[in-house]
Amino acid sequence: GAVVSQHPSWVICKSGTSVKIECRSLDFQATTMFWYRQFPKQSLMLMATSNEGSKATYEQGVEKDKFLINHASLTLSTLTVTSAHPEDSSFYICSARPTGWGTEAFFGQGTRLTVV
Amino acid sequence: AQTVTQSQPEMSVQEAETVTLSCTYDTSESDYYLFWYKQPPSRQMILVIRQEAYKQQNATENRFSVNFQKAAKSFSLKISDSQLGDAAMYFCANFQGAQKLVFGQGTRLTINP
Repeated sequence: GAVVSQHPSWVICKSGTSVKIECRSLDFQATTMFWYRQFPKQSLMLMATSNEGSKATYEQGVEKDKFLINHASLTLSTLTVTSAHPEDSSFYICSARPTGWGTEAFFGQGTRLTVV
Repeated sequence: AQTVTQSQPEMSVQEAETVTLSCTYDTSESDYYLFWYKQPPSRQMILVIRQEAYKQQNATENRFSVNFQKAAKSFSLKISDSQLGDAAMYFCANFQGAQKLVFGQGTRLTINP
């Protein structure tokens, strides 16, 4: 089956530093990848949609300069949280949509970010 | 706007019984897809079942089935013969215009032994 690997699974960083989260589709190509944020006991909130080779489309209220998304290849998208603050602490999940497979989307295992 | 609403924050069911989780959605599109995802404590999202809006027949996957009422924009999930491993958060989702997947608030399902 289609596998999406997200790395790291958890990360702790200091306030003011930046942290990068990777999302890789291991056995398929993904023209489109999605980044979600999930607060405890809440739903997944779509942050942005990234398309290979083009700029990401951010949802309303998501700071583009804070959450940098790069989708440089058909198998890799990265989310960089810049100048992280404690309020950025959350669970981040990526999802990849296989090229040409219609609407199926596969999820990474998520990354728990803690900013201290 | 594309919205998905789950009005049951929590549900519980006795093992081996049947439970139905509710979901309503709002869309202006004629072509869309609906999903139920399961999120166990590991937080890995798992696809449970999907429904294409153009299909009248309700989707079924083993013990899981849906009741898709297109006119009412309702998409409920029925779990038969509930098992302890079914305990999880369940999210209803709408993939609209092949652009983005939007989730409902989720329903926490507890299975009582």
